[in-house]
Amino acid sequence: EAGVAQSPRYKIIEKRQSVAFWCNPISGHATLYWYQQILGQGPKLLIQFQNNGVVDDSQLPKDRFSAERLKGVDSTLKIQPAKLEDSAVYLCASSLLRADTQYFGPGTRLTVL
Amino acid sequence: KNEVEQSPQNLTAQEGEFITINCSYSVGISALHWLQQHPGGGIVSLFMLSSGKKKHGRLIATINIQEKHSSLHITASHPRDSAVYICAVRRGGADGLTFGKGTHLIIQP
Repeated sequence: EAGVAQSPRYKIIEKRQSVAFWCNPISGHATLYWYQQILGQGPKLLIQFQNNGVVDDSQLPKDRFSAERLKGVDSTLKIQPAKLEDSAVYLCASSLLRADTQYFGPGTRLTVL
Repeated sequence: KNEVEQSPQNLTAQEGEFITINCSYSVGISALHWLQQHPGGGIVSLFMLSSGKKKHGRLIATINIQEKHSSLHITASHPRDSAVYICAVRRGGADGLTFGKGTHLIIQP
């Protein structure tokens, strides 16, 4: 069974530029999460989807971050415009059911210069 | 104060030693997770607990709901156990996890 796929693995941009990350969850997993992990800290939930609907986006900085999960499968997370403090690893995770074990992708490491 | 606190933050031990990593939380939860993160690697879920104790190979996880405390034990530790171990809780009524900062474990041969 293929795991959670993410791309790109690494991205370097300058502040005020835009960036997008892509996630392909495990086949059949209805729940998808995006987390932000700043160096030295634990991951922080940004947004949770159930199929193509948003369940929780309370910690998503909506002035610059957006996410979508069209057709309830793949998801994209966008930052526009990026700030220095957005430098982090962005992790995507999926689970078969809500409140089930989460399976994590390898993450995208973003560096904002 | 963080909702999920882990101790120690860093731990270096010799191969074969018994390892204990602690996690305390301050909110009501429906489940607690222990996860492992290798340098440059993704996060792997080790255990999901809502009560009692679970064992998988050399890893044992326990939780005391009344005391809001969980421990992860590694028996007969090995250098390949070197990783960051993260405690995360699922708050009652929520699905997303709230993570601790992790414990950086190094097992020396």
